[in-house]
Amino acid sequence: EAQVTQNPRYLITVTGKKLTVTCSQNMNHEYMSWYRQDPGLGLRQIYYSMNVEVTDKGDVPEGYKVSRKEKRNFPLILESPSPNQTSLYFCASSYGASYNEQFFGPGTRLTVL
Amino acid sequence: AQKITQTQPGMFVQEKEAVTLDCTYDTSDPSYGLFWYKQPSSGEMIFLIYQGSYDQQNATEGRYSLNFQKARKSANLVISASQLGDSAMYFCAMRGMNTGNQFYFGTGTSLTVIP
Repeated sequence: EAQVTQNPRYLITVTGKKLTVTCSQNMNHEYMSWYRQDPGLGLRQIYYSMNVEVTDKGDVPEGYKVSRKEKRNFPLILESPSPNQTSLYFCASSYGASYNEQFFGPGTRLTVL
Repeated sequence: AQKITQTQPGMFVQEKEAVTLDCTYDTSDPSYGLFWYKQPSSGEMIFLIYQGSYDQQNATEGRYSLNFQKARKSANLVISASQLGDSAMYFCAMRGMNTGNQFYFGTGTSLTVIP
């Protein structure tokens, strides 16, 4: 089944404790992206990647890191999480630099205490 | 600057009626794509419809159609014959070819279908 998977789905952590949210897709998509969703703000892009070893900042990259060492994986790293990073996070993927729909993962609800 | 604006935080529609969800955009990119996504209460993001900036005809997908008015920079979603299952958040989004392939989303419209 074609899908984007994220883990964990839910996470409660404390300020400053490094964490990684994994994202994997099995559709051989070149484009992968991370978003955060906050009430009243819609989805905002954190980072995106056009291909392996190519990543770019989105609108809200501060406090986040990403890497794209393999085509299928695009982990989101929070080196020192803070309460303002409490949010719902989505990973998404699509085919290359064209106007294709993005396929979204199920989301990760993160709470930073 | 690229921006998507959805001015209707919440909308109500009677079952079986049509409803229009508004979306305006701002971009300097001459080539771009416009998307609509649905997010039901379960949380997943579901792609509904896509319109390219150079497409001559408005996009349609089943009960969904996109009313694209390029000069007005609007890309409204029309849902015909509303069903109870259409109750959800709806997001308009844009991706530009020349602006680094970033996606921009609006703040969403919450649609409630009344039986």
